[in-house]
Amino acid sequence: DTAVSQTPKYLVTQMGNDKSIKCEQNLGHDTMYWYKQDSKKFLKIMFSYNNKELIINETVPNRFSPKSPDKAHLNLHINSLELGDSAVYFCASSSEFGLAGGRQETQYFGPGTRLLVL
Amino acid sequence: AQSVAQPEDQVNVAEGNPLTVKCTYSVSGNPYLFWYVQYPNRGLQFLLKYITGDNLVKGSYGFEAEFNKSQTSFHLKKPSALVSDSALYFCAVRDGVNDYKLSFGAGTTVTVRA
Repeated sequence: DTAVSQTPKYLVTQMGNDKSIKCEQNLGHDTMYWYKQDSKKFLKIMFSYNNKELIINETVPNRFSPKSPDKAHLNLHINSLELGDSAVYFCASSSEFGLAGGRQETQYFGPGTRLLVL
Repeated sequence: AQSVAQPEDQVNVAEGNPLTVKCTYSVSGNPYLFWYVQYPNRGLQFLLKYITGDNLVKGSYGFEAEFNKSQTSFHLKKPSALVSDSALYFCAVRDGVNDYKLSFGAGTTVTVRA
């Protein structure tokens, strides 16, 4: 049983294209996150949603737009892709407000989406 | 502001020897501290965390970490390393109860030689 899943696993695309990455969690968590891991393996938070509301919005180009249709899903849409967007994007989830059997501060990560912009 | 420092880019040990991966942190409130491991081409796996209570925390795969408030450290340890422990290790911190943002260190690559 996959706890946090992401699709696609790999994404190769041309500069200027628009693409989306999807994330789903079946842990009953109420908070979800997007992280970017660059080529030096450095991890940085991009966005976080709690119950479909944006709670963290780091300094990210507005070409990146997260969308949370429900608390189990958090998608990331990227417009006008640039070479510098090439990275691994990780989704994560946690239970911050105890909705799923108590507070669970630990963030659980998906397997990542490897994006390569050519 | 919160931050994490992992002073060693790489740690190399022989199988069977003790393994230590260092981490120091900076937060303005109470620290919540985490260790994650990343195997090649995989996501991050949670190892252990310190929220409150006992300073020595035990986690998955025989790892443990000690919270030291005076030294603002949270070093990861394993008494006897295995070749399969070779991976990238991340320390992370968040500031107390109401800040959900997790700040990661730069990572330490551990290589355990047979």
